[in-house]
Amino acid sequence: GNSVTQMEGPVTLSEEAFLTINCTYTATGYPSLFWYVQYPGEGLQLLLKATKADDKGSNKGFEATYRKETTSFHLEKGSVQVSDSAVYFCALRPHSGYALNFGKGTSLLVTP
Amino acid sequence: NAGVMQNPRHLVRRRGQEARLRCSPMKGHSHVYWYRQLPEEGLKFMVYLQKENIIDESGMPKERFSAEFPKEGPSILRIQQVVRGDSAAYFCASSPRTGVNEKLFFGSGTQLSVL
Repeated sequence: GNSVTQMEGPVTLSEEAFLTINCTYTATGYPSLFWYVQYPGEGLQLLLKATKADDKGSNKGFEATYRKETTSFHLEKGSVQVSDSAVYFCALRPHSGYALNFGKGTSLLVTP
Repeated sequence: NAGVMQNPRHLVRRRGQEARLRCSPMKGHSHVYWYRQLPEEGLKFMVYLQKENIIDESGMPKERFSAEFPKEGPSILRIQQVVRGDSAAYFCASSPRTGVNEKLFFGSGTQLSVL
């Protein structure tokens, strides 16, 4: 079946630190991969996506590359800000489907 | 353009009562999805609806749960005779159309607590 595994949180970083949140997946075929972010008190928002192998999704300084050989889609940002504090969800959508499979979420806290 | 609106934000029910969760999709969106997030778990797909039709309810528990999306008005997720295990965050998402690359817009969720 399809599943997503992401690193346990919470992750606490100082402002301007480098961020990596690991995400690996299990899927048949060629799924699309996503990172969603949930800020406190708000709904999930699409942060970035990649639809095929070696694609790099990027947005607001965040990046993730679709690695089929390692079945991974790790989220990175070179210099985090306090405003990046949120919960980050990795997700996949099967090639022939529409339902998203989410990881458990990783809480990020950035301190000044 | 208002986003996806879910209400109530918090709902408290006693065991055996009914819970009704509402979701108003974004304007112009006719596709609605419901997801549930149990404590310490990721979001799990429950049901996919278009106006007046249930397209896929493969993630819905077989009993006590039902969903509708009428021609007029919000989508409703209904849980009858709630039990403590139903305590979770319920998220609704909408999109203007279906497709593997279609962007979903999520609401802020309803936190259901069963006493």
